Amino acid sequence: DAGVIQSPRHEVTEMGQEVTLRCKPISGHDYLFWYRQTMMRGLELLIYFNNNVPIDDSGMPEDRFSAKMPNASFSTLKIQPSEPRDSAVYFCASSRDPSSSYEQYFGPGTRLTVT
Amino acid sequence: DQQVKQNSPSLSVQEGRISILNCDYTNSMFDYFLWYKKYPAEGPTFLISISSIKDKNEDGRFTVFLNKSAKHLSLHIVPSQPGDSAVYFCAASSYSAGGTSYGKLTFGQGTILTVHP
Repeated sequence: DAGVIQSPRHEVTEMGQEVTLRCKPISGHDYLFWYRQTMMRGLELLIYFNNNVPIDDSGMPEDRFSAKMPNASFSTLKIQPSEPRDSAVYFCASSRDPSSSYEQYFGPGTRLTVT
Repeated sequence: DQQVKQNSPSLSVQEGRISILNCDYTNSMFDYFLWYKKYPAEGPTFLISISSIKDKNEDGRFTVFLNKSAKHLSLHIVPSQPGDSAVYFCAASSYSAGGTSYGKLTFGQGTILTVHP
């Protein structure tokens, strides 16, 4: 299995631009998570999906952030408009149902820089 | 409000010695705990876990201890090796709470471990 795939690996954009981050979870995993890592706050959960349905989006910082999961093999995290304080590493992770395993498998992350 | 806290941003140890990484939590509903390791430019990878019904879990050089009354857990690495140098994240889940907590992990800020040869 290729693991969780994220693209792009690096993104540099100017303030005000739209940014779209992409994720392909591991096949057969029913749960998908979007995290943001910063020095100050560590790993923060932004939103997670179960069977393509958003379950908890309480971590999404503002209305500028939105996430979709149109099918079991693809999810996007969009920031519109982007701001310099959005600069961080964004991780996508997937897992099986927690009744079988709590382990989440992470992608390599997207490093976002907003200038 | 940080429900999972790793109060030591960094730890430096000598190769062959013991590394002890600490983690505190505030939510008494947490019933499962995990440690993840992260190398630069990579995603975190699962290392070891423990259920709240246990107080110790061991896997090779790695042992996790859980003290429920103190809401504290620790990761022991013995002996430490230079390849263990990474960021270590503590995470917690409240499986039994159900609802939107089901499947969700809350992470600490991470501790940077450096093992010197």
